[in-house]
Amino acid sequence: ETGVTQTPRHLVMGMTNKKSLKCEQHLGHNAMYWYKQSAKKPLELMFVYSLEERVENNSVPSRFSPECPNSSHLFLHLHTLQPEDSALYLCASSQRVSDTQYFGPGTRLTVL
Amino acid sequence: GQQVMQIPQYQHVQEGEDFTTYCNSSTTLSNIQWYKQRPGGHPVFLIQLVKSGEVKKQKRLTFQFGEAKKNSSLHITATQTTDVGTYFCAGPQGGKLIFGQGTELSVKP
Repeated sequence: ETGVTQTPRHLVMGMTNKKSLKCEQHLGHNAMYWYKQSAKKPLELMFVYSLEERVENNSVPSRFSPECPNSSHLFLHLHTLQPEDSALYLCASSQRVSDTQYFGPGTRLTVL
Repeated sequence: GQQVMQIPQYQHVQEGEDFTTYCNSSTTLSNIQWYKQRPGGHPVFLIQLVKSGEVKKQKRLTFQFGEAKKNSSLHITATQTTDVGTYFCAGPQGGKLIFGQGTELSVKP
């Protein structure tokens, strides 16, 4: 499955670093999402973009900053993260916001 | 508020036993979707049910959508080790797709 790709697949960063996660979808979808999935916890929706406009921001700390330059690309900029931010970050896309979602493989983030 | 609840949270079975996970919505749903996430993997779409009382099968997996379109179930007959993973239901609520908490299935060979 290569419909939704994410880079990098693994990332280790210090609390003072700045890094970015990238997501690209090749499905022609109009909506894209960022989820956080911590160990043994459910999916936590972070951000939703529809037609490049942010339509949902679920009380996510400002150290996470999303960017959607076009309908195929989504970024998550990270800065001054905390160890509790270590998790699997999943990107997904769908044709419309309530439609079936297709997930990327995720970025496994470790904050030291 | 918008909620999609799943039970149980965890299920451990012996290989060959059956398994069922249940999904309940606080509101009537236009459809219910099921996803599977293998250990170390990402959620993958399995199926969508749309009609009241609909039943669909995929090999040993049987998916049902309740008559009131507020609940759904996934039943696996004679589990195999390849069934291991977390199963999520999801339904559109308030213009968004809301995921349940997932049921983690482990299978002892």
